[in-house]
Amino acid sequence: QVQLQESGPGLVKPSQTLSLTCAVSGGSFTSGNYYWTWIRQPAGKGLEWIGRIHPSGSTNYNPSLESRITISLETSKNQLSLKLTSVTAADTAVYYCARDEEWSPAAHYWGQGTLVTVSS
Amino acid sequence: DVQMTQSPSTLSASVGDRVTITCRASQSISSWLAWYQQKPGKAPKLLIYKSSSLESGVPSRFSGSGSGREFTLTISSLQPDDFATYYCQQYNSYPSSFGQGTKLEIK
Repeated sequence: QVQLQESGPGLVKPSQTLSLTCAVSGGSFTSGNYYWTWIRQPAGKGLEWIGRIHPSGSTNYNPSLESRITISLETSKNQLSLKLTSVTAADTAVYYCARDEEWSPAAHYWGQGTLVTVSS
Repeated sequence: DVQMTQSPSTLSASVGDRVTITCRASQSISSWLAWYQQKPGKAPKLLIYKSSSLESGVPSRFSGSGSGREFTLTISSLQPDDFATYYCQQYNSYPSSFGQGTKLEIK
């Protein structure tokens, strides 16, 4: 049973860096069949795709955020991370990590999400 | 970037109804489309991938169809547990993108 669990500060000050981790258990973390993805959702709004990383290190980012984001894997800890710099109130959202499958593209497994509020 | 547009934004229906939600892409995405169900306070749940493939464990009353630019999600007989918000997502090109969502309400 694959499980994903996001964690990180619930409150970040404007202009600072948002840092989240996603702990993965069950299944293979380093399999080339999977991509590890971040998605966010402001309160009451729709889903926004942030970006993804393949265990090879290849990444795809949303151009709207690309200058501010870094997605990385720490394979020794089975963790996925997200860093978003220079945050503003517009970055306030629930952040989800998810596992995509290369041969059946879609987010088959999701974390429960973590709320990050940007406020001074 | 590919823009995804869902219709309707809100749908009122009754238990037992057959309902259809439409998702249109701004350009062809072949069959690289997924559908998700989301309930308040919960993560989205995958229902359909590759336009028409049913995710394991998802009831067979859910079905998907379409290719190119137009896609549909159909629920053949609404059950009380199906009242939720539904999103489509394209995987043909990156960045991946979601529709704005369709809220399915009880009539």
